Amino acid sequence: TQLLEQSPQFLSIQEGENLTVYCNSSSVFSSLQWYRQEPGEGPVLLVTVVTGGEVKKLKRLTFQFGDARKDSSLHITAAQPGDTGLYLCAGEAHLWGANSKLTFGKGITLSVRP
Amino acid sequence: KAGVTQTPRYLIKTRGQQVTLSCSPISGHRSVSWYQQTPGQGLQFLFEYFSETQRNKGNFPGRFSGRQFSNSRSEMNVSTLELGDSALYLCASRLLGLAAYNEQFFGPGTRLTVL
Repeated sequence: TQLLEQSPQFLSIQEGENLTVYCNSSSVFSSLQWYRQEPGEGPVLLVTVVTGGEVKKLKRLTFQFGDARKDSSLHITAAQPGDTGLYLCAGEAHLWGANSKLTFGKGITLSVRP
Repeated sequence: KAGVTQTPRYLIKTRGQQVTLSCSPISGHRSVSWYQQTPGQGLQFLFEYFSETQRNKGNFPGRFSGRQFSNSRSEMNVSTLELGDSALYLCASRLLGLAAYNEQFFGPGTRLTVL
């Protein structure tokens, strides 16, 4: 069974602060996705990283895939209240999608105080 | 392009009843997956359907079942409801083409409350 551990589980910060959260596994994934979910809604895809060491930026969010493709980090610069939500990472195990499935971490609950 | 839609959005049932949830994927997406989300367990995979066939199945009892129609729409059924089945049920669709990865797009979910 492939497991994804996300840390920290909960994070409460002040608007304007920077933060980094993590998604770790002992398994290798062919791709890793990050989602943000707001209460009562479905997760919304933020980014997919595929290549080991890859860095992708989405405005103030920076995503990095570990060199060994076992872990990922999400860095938020100058957090805003609109960044509040549950951040989920999900790893896909098979390269070409044949019979692949996503394994989700339990998520990181982020609260950004005004 | 319309997103993934799920109906109903909210549902209240009592123990022992059965329930059917519906999901319409993004147009052109042939894969539909179902997940159960609870505060304690997070997102747990139920099953995935592709071209009307179940491709993958999670570790849920046989009370949880699903099917997919020729138009890729999918339904999920839970029989003999238990209190612990109260959760947000999420449906997700993906293209499953020849790309190196297959991004998954979620619907808004159905909030099921079992009393």
